[in-house]
Amino acid sequence: NAGVTQTPKFQVLKTGQSMTLQCAQDMNHEYMSWYRQDPGMGLRLIHYSVGAGITDQGEVPNGYNVSRSTTEDFPLRLLSAAPSQTSVYFCASTQVVGTEAFFGQGTRLTVV
Amino acid sequence: GIQVEQSPPDLILQEGANSTLRCNFSDSVNNLQWFHQNPWGQLINLFYIPSGTKQNGRLSATTVATERYSLLYISSSQTTDSGVYFCAGKYSGGGADGLTFGKGTHLIIQP
Repeated sequence: NAGVTQTPKFQVLKTGQSMTLQCAQDMNHEYMSWYRQDPGMGLRLIHYSVGAGITDQGEVPNGYNVSRSTTEDFPLRLLSAAPSQTSVYFCASTQVVGTEAFFGQGTRLTVV
Repeated sequence: GIQVEQSPPDLILQEGANSTLRCNFSDSVNNLQWFHQNPWGQLINLFYIPSGTKQNGRLSATTVATERYSLLYISSSQTTDSGVYFCAGKYSGGGADGLTFGKGTHLIIQP
């Protein structure tokens, strides 16, 4: 039982490039979400999903895209990377909305 | 959205000391949780505590939902307790189904 797995752990992008951050969970959780963490700040919600085929925006969704085709996977896409998207990205899952959250190990993204 | 205020922002203690971390919410929340982010960046869920008191070893937490605050107690601190402690919750009045985090308390335990 691996829990929540994020790949890659580190990534450097050039401005304008696109990429996908992967997130997978093996706990059969319905709810998954993406957060970003910037220095001196707590985590901020980007997008979330309450189940396969359902996604919605969080606090800071601009510049990011998500989809949820399976219960296990919730990828986060950066369409055209900008330096302002330099951050550490965390994926989380819970059994259902409003229960204990489990986080992946994070992806440290640098956009130059 | 709700505001989450954590205090103190920084805390430096000697090994063996006790500490109390506080989390205040600007409005009513549910799903209140405490997390520890270790020096390697990993986020570990310490407590899911929408109300009442829970204990896990040297750590305990109390949430008084009616007064919109929660406390995390760490007793007999060890160097492995170092890191950043976050509280988070979801506004019970609706909105996005995600957690709002405080900025954290940075705890350093010195040997």
